[in-house]
Amino acid sequence: DQQVKQNSPSLSVQEGRISILNCDYTNSMFDYFLWYKKYPAEGPTFLISISSIKDKNEDGRFTVFLNKSAKHLSLHIVPSQPGDSAVYFCAASAGYFGNEKLTFGTGTRLTIIP
Amino acid sequence: NAGVMQNPRHLVRRRGQEARLRCSPMKGHSHVYWYRQLPEEGLKFMVYLQKENIIDESGMPKERFSAEFPKEGPSILRIQQVVRGDSAAYFCASSPSRGMNTEAFFGQGTRLTVV
Repeated sequence: DQQVKQNSPSLSVQEGRISILNCDYTNSMFDYFLWYKKYPAEGPTFLISISSIKDKNEDGRFTVFLNKSAKHLSLHIVPSQPGDSAVYFCAASAGYFGNEKLTFGTGTRLTIIP
Repeated sequence: NAGVMQNPRHLVRRRGQEARLRCSPMKGHSHVYWYRQLPEEGLKFMVYLQKENIIDESGMPKERFSAEFPKEGPSILRIQQVVRGDSAAYFCASSPSRGMNTEAFFGQGTRLTVV
């Protein structure tokens, strides 16, 4: 049972344009969401997070949007840069003391085309 | 300040052997989490430990897998009698307080191959 779904295995975007990565979840108990970036042969790196009390969180070029009614979140990267090429994982957790147990999606491989 | 250190980076074991994966958390971090990534899948939670205590092992397979985080030394994930299905990347993360919040960092992982 895949509780966090990233339905696009891959995405290609022109450098300078906006990259939009999507994530859907099924567990209504999830209340904290994170995005991680992963390069080959490295561990995931935390990018940005959002609590369910918010619908938007912004950090530089990265913005995460949360639509609780649709159980959907998205990561926007603008402008996209070649260094953004990586696999992006969406993750979710339930409860303040539950976020040591993250549920990850299967990832989206983002390729930025120079 | 060194990051989370995992070793070995690559480990090859024959079926039936034991695998020991080590994780040294970042300095000042006393909370350790182990995740496993099977090919073409996302990371899956295995176990959460604090020094000398297992807090949550709900993601650990019931048999052959064990984890510890002793008072001194690294955290160890131990897999006995490995099978082909154990082949995966095993990631450790650490944080200074409970939770995979902004202060949590992952190591580079150990890639276990069972032949």
